[in-house]
Amino acid sequence: NAGVTQTPKFRILKIGQSMTLQCTQDMNHNYMYWYRQDPGMGLKLIYYSVGAGITDKGEVPNGYNVSRSTTEDFPLRLELAAPSQTSVYFCASSYSDFNQPQHFGDGTRLSIL
Amino acid sequence: TQLLEQSPQFLSIQEGENLTVYCNSSSVFSSLQWYRQEPGEGPVLLVTVVTGGEVKKLKRLTFQFGDARKDSSLHITAAQPGDTGLYLCAGVRVGLTFGKGTHLIIQP
Repeated sequence: NAGVTQTPKFRILKIGQSMTLQCTQDMNHNYMYWYRQDPGMGLKLIYYSVGAGITDKGEVPNGYNVSRSTTEDFPLRLELAAPSQTSVYFCASSYSDFNQPQHFGDGTRLSIL
Repeated sequence: TQLLEQSPQFLSIQEGENLTVYCNSSSVFSSLQWYRQEPGEGPVLLVTVVTGGEVKKLKRLTFQFGDARKDSSLHITAAQPGDTGLYLCAGVRVGLTFGKGTHLIIQP
Protein backbone atom coordinates (compact mmCIF):
# COMPACT_ATOMS: atom_id res chain seq x y z
CA ASN A 1 0.00 0.00 0.00
CA ALA A 2 1.35 3.39 -1.03
CA GLY A 3 -0.54 5.41 1.62
CA VAL A 4 0.11 9.15 1.16
CA THR A 5 2.46 10.04 -1.69
CA GLN A 6 4.02 13.48 -2.08
CA THR A 7 5.94 14.82 -5.05
CA PRO A 8 8.48 16.24 -5.51
CA LYS A 9 10.69 15.31 -2.54
CA PHE A 10 12.96 18.32 -2.99
CA ARG A 11 12.64 21.59 -4.88
CA ILE A 12 14.49 24.89 -5.11
CA LEU A 13 12.54 27.91 -6.32
CA LYS A 14 13.49 31.48 -7.06
CA ILE A 15 11.59 34.30 -5.37
CA GLY A 16 8.40 35.05 -7.29
CA GLN A 17 8.15 31.68 -9.02
CA SER A 18 5.12 29.46 -8.60
CA MET A 19 4.75 25.73 -8.16
CA THR A 20 2.34 23.01 -7.12
CA LEU A 21 3.10 20.40 -4.49
CA GLN A 22 1.32 17.19 -5.30
CA CYS A 23 -0.35 14.88 -2.77
CA THR A 24 -2.31 11.72 -3.44
CA GLN A 25 -3.67 9.02 -1.13
CA ASP A 26 -5.00 5.57 -1.94
CA MET A 27 -6.80 4.85 1.34
CA ASN A 28 -10.15 6.39 0.35
CA HIS A 29 -9.79 8.93 3.15
CA ASN A 30 -12.23 11.81 3.20
CA TYR A 31 -10.11 14.30 5.14
CA MET A 32 -6.83 15.66 3.82
CA TYR A 33 -4.45 18.24 5.24
CA TRP A 34 -1.39 20.30 4.41
CA TYR A 35 1.11 21.21 7.11
CA ARG A 36 4.44 23.02 7.09
CA GLN A 37 7.25 22.19 9.48
CA ASP A 38 9.86 24.84 10.17
CA PRO A 39 12.98 24.02 12.21
CA GLY A 40 12.15 24.00 15.92
CA MET A 41 8.57 25.12 15.32
CA GLY A 42 6.52 21.95 15.05
CA LEU A 43 3.92 21.45 12.32
CA LYS A 44 1.38 24.13 11.43
CA LEU A 45 -1.84 23.52 9.49
CA ILE A 46 -2.05 25.41 6.19
CA TYR A 47 -5.28 24.11 4.62
CA TYR A 48 -7.55 21.14 5.02
CA SER A 49 -10.36 19.42 3.17
CA VAL A 50 -13.20 17.31 4.50
CA GLY A 51 -14.15 15.92 1.10
CA ALA A 52 -14.01 16.51 -2.63
CA GLY A 53 -14.97 20.07 -3.48
CA ILE A 54 -14.62 21.32 0.12
CA THR A 55 -11.57 23.14 1.44
CA ASP A 56 -10.92 25.49 4.34
CA LYS A 57 -8.12 27.55 5.81
CA GLY A 58 -5.94 26.38 8.65
CA GLU A 59 -3.62 28.36 10.89
CA VAL A 60 -1.19 29.70 8.24
CA PRO A 61 -2.97 29.88 4.83
CA ASN A 62 -1.50 33.13 3.45
CA GLY A 63 0.46 32.65 0.24
CA TYR A 64 -1.07 29.27 -0.54
CA ASN A 65 -4.05 27.86 -2.39
CA VAL A 66 -5.56 24.38 -2.57
CA SER A 67 -8.15 22.47 -4.53
CA ARG A 68 -9.82 19.09 -4.02
CA SER A 69 -11.43 17.87 -7.22
CA THR A 70 -11.13 14.18 -6.32
CA THR A 71 -11.03 12.17 -3.08
CA GLU A 72 -7.49 11.03 -3.85
CA ASP A 73 -5.71 14.29 -4.69
CA PHE A 74 -5.08 17.47 -2.72
CA PRO A 75 -2.50 19.73 -4.43
CA LEU A 76 -1.01 22.78 -2.71
CA ARG A 77 -0.22 25.80 -4.87
CA LEU A 78 2.36 28.52 -4.17
CA GLU A 79 1.68 31.47 -6.46
CA LEU A 80 4.51 33.92 -5.67
CA ALA A 81 7.20 32.12 -3.74
CA ALA A 82 8.79 34.06 -0.87
CA PRO A 83 11.79 33.14 1.31
CA SER A 84 9.43 32.80 4.29
CA GLN A 85 7.89 29.80 2.56
CA THR A 86 11.12 27.82 2.80
CA SER A 87 10.02 24.81 4.83
CA VAL A 88 9.22 21.11 4.77
CA TYR A 89 5.65 20.50 3.65
CA PHE A 90 3.67 17.47 4.78
CA CYS A 91 0.42 16.18 3.39
CA ALA A 92 -1.75 13.96 5.58
CA SER A 93 -5.08 12.20 5.41
CA SER A 94 -7.58 10.66 7.80
CA TYR A 95 -10.65 8.54 7.23
CA SER A 96 -13.29 10.75 8.75
CA ASP A 97 -13.26 13.32 11.53
CA PHE A 98 -10.33 15.18 13.09
CA ASN A 99 -10.07 12.65 15.95
CA GLN A 100 -9.04 9.90 13.56
CA PRO A 101 -5.34 9.06 13.16
CA GLN A 102 -3.64 11.04 10.44
CA HIS A 103 -1.38 9.33 7.92
CA PHE A 104 1.48 11.47 6.69
CA GLY A 105 3.51 11.50 3.52
CA ASP A 106 7.30 11.77 3.64
CA GLY A 107 7.28 15.49 2.91
CA THR A 108 8.51 17.94 0.29
CA ARG A 109 11.57 19.98 1.23
CA LEU A 110 11.22 23.39 -0.43
CA SER A 111 13.84 26.13 -0.54
CA ILE A 112 13.09 29.62 -1.87
CA LEU A 113 16.22 31.54 -2.85
CA THR B 1 2.10 31.78 21.31
CA GLN B 2 2.51 28.02 21.38
CA LEU B 3 -0.73 26.29 22.29
CA LEU B 4 0.99 23.04 23.24
CA GLU B 5 4.25 23.19 25.17
CA GLN B 6 6.47 20.15 25.13
CA SER B 7 9.33 19.58 27.54
CA PRO B 8 12.14 18.95 27.48
CA GLN B 9 13.01 20.13 23.97
CA PHE B 10 16.10 17.92 23.87
CA LEU B 11 16.98 14.82 25.87
CA SER B 12 19.99 12.57 25.55
CA ILE B 13 20.25 9.56 27.84
CA GLN B 14 21.97 6.18 28.02
CA GLU B 15 20.40 2.95 26.90
CA GLY B 16 18.45 1.30 29.71
CA GLU B 17 17.43 4.48 31.49
CA ASN B 18 13.84 5.61 32.00
CA LEU B 19 12.48 8.96 30.88
CA THR B 20 9.34 11.05 30.81
CA VAL B 21 8.41 13.81 28.37
CA TYR B 22 5.56 16.22 28.86
CA CYS B 23 2.94 17.98 26.77
CA ASN B 24 1.08 20.85 28.44
CA SER B 25 -1.61 23.28 27.39
CA SER B 26 -4.01 25.79 28.89
CA SER B 27 -6.67 24.58 26.45
CA VAL B 28 -8.89 21.51 26.52
CA PHE B 29 -8.69 19.10 23.61
CA SER B 30 -11.23 16.48 22.54
CA SER B 31 -8.33 14.07 22.22
CA LEU B 32 -4.59 14.12 22.04
CA GLN B 33 -2.29 12.18 19.75
CA TRP B 34 1.39 11.27 20.08
CA TYR B 35 3.52 10.89 16.98
CA ARG B 36 7.12 9.87 16.38
CA GLN B 37 9.07 11.34 13.51
CA GLU B 38 12.40 10.19 12.09
CA PRO B 39 14.64 12.35 9.88
CA GLY B 40 13.36 12.65 6.30
CA GLU B 41 10.02 11.05 7.09
CA GLY B 42 6.56 12.15 8.12
CA PRO B 43 5.21 11.70 11.65
CA VAL B 44 3.82 8.27 12.50
CA LEU B 45 1.02 7.89 15.02
CA LEU B 46 1.87 6.11 18.28
CA VAL B 47 -1.33 6.51 20.26
CA THR B 48 -4.50 8.53 20.71
CA VAL B 49 -5.82 9.34 24.19
CA VAL B 50 -9.40 10.47 24.51
CA THR B 51 -10.67 10.20 28.08
CA GLY B 52 -9.39 12.33 30.95
CA GLY B 53 -7.11 10.21 33.17
CA GLU B 54 -6.68 7.59 30.47
CA VAL B 55 -3.50 5.50 30.47
CA LYS B 56 -2.37 3.56 27.40
CA LYS B 57 0.61 1.26 27.07
CA LEU B 58 2.52 0.43 23.93
CA LYS B 59 5.24 -2.07 24.90
CA ARG B 60 7.75 0.04 26.89
CA LEU B 61 5.88 3.30 26.26
CA THR B 62 3.19 4.52 28.65
CA PHE B 63 0.96 7.45 27.70
CA GLN B 64 -1.24 9.34 30.11
CA PHE B 65 -3.91 11.97 29.45
CA GLY B 66 -4.51 14.48 32.22
CA ASP B 67 -7.81 14.45 34.09
CA ALA B 68 -8.75 17.85 32.64
CA ARG B 69 -7.67 16.81 29.11
CA LYS B 70 -5.17 19.66 28.91
CA ASP B 71 -1.91 17.77 29.31
CA SER B 72 -0.28 14.45 28.62
CA SER B 73 2.91 12.56 29.35
CA LEU B 74 4.94 9.86 27.66
CA HIS B 75 7.06 7.57 29.82
CA ILE B 76 9.62 5.22 28.27
CA THR B 77 11.00 2.36 30.35
CA ALA B 78 14.44 0.95 29.64
CA ALA B 79 15.06 3.17 26.62
CA GLN B 80 16.74 1.64 23.57
CA PRO B 81 18.64 3.26 20.68
CA GLY B 82 15.67 2.45 18.43
CA ASP B 83 13.58 4.90 20.49
CA THR B 84 15.65 7.79 19.15
CA GLY B 85 13.51 10.32 17.29
CA LEU B 86 11.34 13.42 17.51
CA TYR B 87 8.27 12.89 19.68
CA LEU B 88 5.36 15.18 18.90
CA CYS B 89 2.12 15.65 20.77
CA ALA B 90 -0.86 17.01 18.90
CA GLY B 91 -4.18 18.22 20.21
CA VAL B 92 -7.28 17.64 18.13
CA ARG B 93 -9.25 20.72 17.13
CA VAL B 94 -9.61 21.63 13.47
CA GLY B 95 -6.87 19.41 12.15
CA LEU B 96 -4.07 18.89 14.63
CA THR B 97 -2.31 21.50 16.76
CA PHE B 98 1.24 20.29 17.25
CA GLY B 99 3.77 21.02 19.94
CA LYS B 100 7.37 21.72 18.93
CA GLY B 101 8.40 18.21 19.92
CA THR B 102 11.02 16.54 22.07
CA HIS B 103 14.21 15.45 20.35
CA LEU B 104 15.20 12.19 22.05
CA ILE B 105 18.58 10.52 21.63
CA ILE B 106 19.30 7.17 23.24
CA GLN B 107 23.00 6.43 23.33
CA PRO B 108 24.20 2.80 23.31
